[in-house]
Amino acid sequence: KAGVTQTPRYLIKTRGQQVTLSCSPISGHRSVSWYQQTPGQGLQFLFEYFSETQRNKGNFPGRFSGRQFSNSRSEMNVSTLELGDSALYLCASKEDLSTEAFFGQGTRLTVV
Amino acid sequence: AQSVAQPEDQVNVAEGNPLTVKCTYSVSGNPYLFWYVQYPNRGLQFLLKYITGDNLVKGSYGFEAEFNKSQTSFHLKKPSALVSDSALYFCAVRGDYNAGNNRKLIWGLGTSLAVNP
Repeated sequence: KAGVTQTPRYLIKTRGQQVTLSCSPISGHRSVSWYQQTPGQGLQFLFEYFSETQRNKGNFPGRFSGRQFSNSRSEMNVSTLELGDSALYLCASKEDLSTEAFFGQGTRLTVV
Repeated sequence: AQSVAQPEDQVNVAEGNPLTVKCTYSVSGNPYLFWYVQYPNRGLQFLLKYITGDNLVKGSYGFEAEFNKSQTSFHLKKPSALVSDSALYFCAVRGDYNAGNNRKLIWGLGTSLAVNP
């Protein structure tokens, strides 16, 4: 099986712009979670989607949003980018009944 | 509240020596415990998990972890470290949903392991 695929791998955006990140889960996995990773804060949970519905949400402002499509692919959107949004954004997928998640390689977002 | 602590930011060990990366947790009810490894500029890779059963869990790349309920710990171990084991290691916990916990995985801040040749 192909792994979790995240695109793009690297992105540079200007403060105030918006960005969309994409995640294709492992085939058959219906749960997709998003995380923000920064050196000082570790892994911060953004949200989890299952069958196109947001199942869990972390403590991030409304500028961070996501969605999941019927084929389980997911997108994450950040509007009005701030310098502090610079981070590695990780997507993870899992079968709903399985307990371990499988991660993509991440999208490195730099806001300048 | 659910929480995970990795008390050491960095662990240094000589190649060939045993290594331990520590993790303690706090959840209601029974814990679901995980270890992941992250190599530079890569996503996280699953190493092993404890759900139930034997307290000693064996995982990928020769790693194992011991669940200790009384000490609420889940330390990662390897009998003989390799230079290629140098990476960032994350412990994560999820509480039993039936005990009132949510379904979120709670992550430690990570421990950087450096294995010196």
